[in-house]
Amino acid sequence: DGGITQSPKYLFRKEGQNVTLSCEQNLNHDAMYWYRQDPGQGLRLIYYSQIVNDFQKGDIAEGYSVSREKKESFPLTVTSAQKNPTAFYLCASSRQAMKAFFGQGTRLTVV
Amino acid sequence: AQSVAQPEDQVNVAEGNPLTVKCTYSVSGNPYLFWYVQYPNRGLQFLLKYITGDNLVKGSYGFEAEFNKSQTSFHLKKPSALVSDSALYFCAVRDRDNFNKFYFGSGTKLNVKP
Repeated sequence: DGGITQSPKYLFRKEGQNVTLSCEQNLNHDAMYWYRQDPGQGLRLIYYSQIVNDFQKGDIAEGYSVSREKKESFPLTVTSAQKNPTAFYLCASSRQAMKAFFGQGTRLTVV
Repeated sequence: AQSVAQPEDQVNVAEGNPLTVKCTYSVSGNPYLFWYVQYPNRGLQFLLKYITGDNLVKGSYGFEAEFNKSQTSFHLKKPSALVSDSALYFCAVRDRDNFNKFYFGSGTKLNVKP
C-alpha cells in the first residue's frame, strides 16, 4: 500500500530537548518537503529536498535540521534553538510537476 | 516571489447551495495550481490540479475549479454543498523555476450548515 507515513502522531518535548520527527515514503518520489502549520495560519515551508543528499532551507528553517540519506526518508529534527516549536508538522513528497502527497502529520507540544 | 492569496478566512453556505472558495496567485511563467482539503488533525488531501489545457478542471467529491489567467485566479467551486464538505481548504502553486517548491495560501474554512 503506497503512501507517506509520519511518526509519531503526537510528540511531547521538554524545554531544551531535541526531537526528531520521522517521514517515510514508498512512492519513489524524488522531492520531499516539511511544513509547519499553526492555528489560523497556512503551511510554512521549513525544508525541502529534491534528491538524495541534497536539501534546501525553506522560509522558516531556523531551529530545525534535516537529512536525506535515503530517497525514502526525510527526518526533521526540532532543536532546542527553536523557541516556539509547538505546532502541527506535515511532511509531503512529490514527483516533477505532480501533486504533493501528504502524511497525516505530527503534533508536537512543548511541556 | 511566488505567492498565493485566499482572501476569505471563512466561507459559510447552506447545504444544497453552490459554494465558491477564492484563490488568487502571483507566479512567473505558467503556473501549476492545486487545491487541497484538510480535516481536523489530518494531513492534506488532493482535490484537483491545473497544469495546462481546459480552464475548467474537475476533481474529487464533485469539486471543480476555474483557471483564469487574466485575473490570476483559481477559484474552487461546487454546485451543491454538503455538510460533509465542511473543512479547511488550501490553494497551492508550484514554482517550476525554483526547485519545484509548493506555496500554499493561508487556508479558508468552509462551513456548510444543514
